[in-house]
Amino acid sequence: GAGVSQSPRYKVAKRGQDVALRCDPISGHVSLFWYQQALGQGPEFLTYFQNEAQLDKSGLPSDRFFAERPEGSVSTLKIQRTQQEDSAVYLCASSLSSGPVGELFFGEGSRLTVL
Amino acid sequence: GENVGLHLPTLSVQEGDNSIINCAYSNSASDYFIWYKQESGKGPQFIIDIRSNMDKRQGQRVTVLLNKTVKHLSLQIAATQPGDSAVYFCAERLQGAQKLVFGQGTRLTINP
Repeated sequence: GAGVSQSPRYKVAKRGQDVALRCDPISGHVSLFWYQQALGQGPEFLTYFQNEAQLDKSGLPSDRFFAERPEGSVSTLKIQRTQQEDSAVYLCASSLSSGPVGELFFGEGSRLTVL
Repeated sequence: GENVGLHLPTLSVQEGDNSIINCAYSNSASDYFIWYKQESGKGPQFIIDIRSNMDKRQGQRVTVLLNKTVKHLSLQIAATQPGDSAVYFCAERLQGAQKLVFGQGTRLTINP
């Protein structure tokens, strides 16, 4: 498809397990963002990549969260030792532009439930 | 129908009426604003954007108004349709930054 693709769409993890969430951005898009959206809230910024470079990770809530985009295309968000408060929808978005103005295209998200 | 900001996160309007969704943004240094629509189980979808050097921008059935003096943004939807039912978020971007900061959101429901 032509849009941002995320997998898995749904993930249930036991507390303490590690999870990995994948994002396939739109081909050729330079910028990639991860957001966390708790139930009933707006998306909260986690991290930003320009090509393979992680330029902003100020939104990552703890050192249990790690993101990478090694070849400047697919990105993975990894959460180690998951906690119940990590339960949320994790949204990936990409943008063609590397400048400050550009339309973000969001995927449908990966819903993580930590039991 | 019109909501008065984050104190009324749900807005109900009659089909065919105009809807006005309001947003108070937080940072006077923001120079770019976007409205997103999010349907249940989906990611946010771009509706319309506006730069800080403008005070009004129109799209198809939608208009965004920006009042920098009071840091207020609104989205007007003309002739609201059942397909407009969703949660609407405003988002702002600080000048020179990349990330978007989203507001709380307003749920728009359409009465037949």
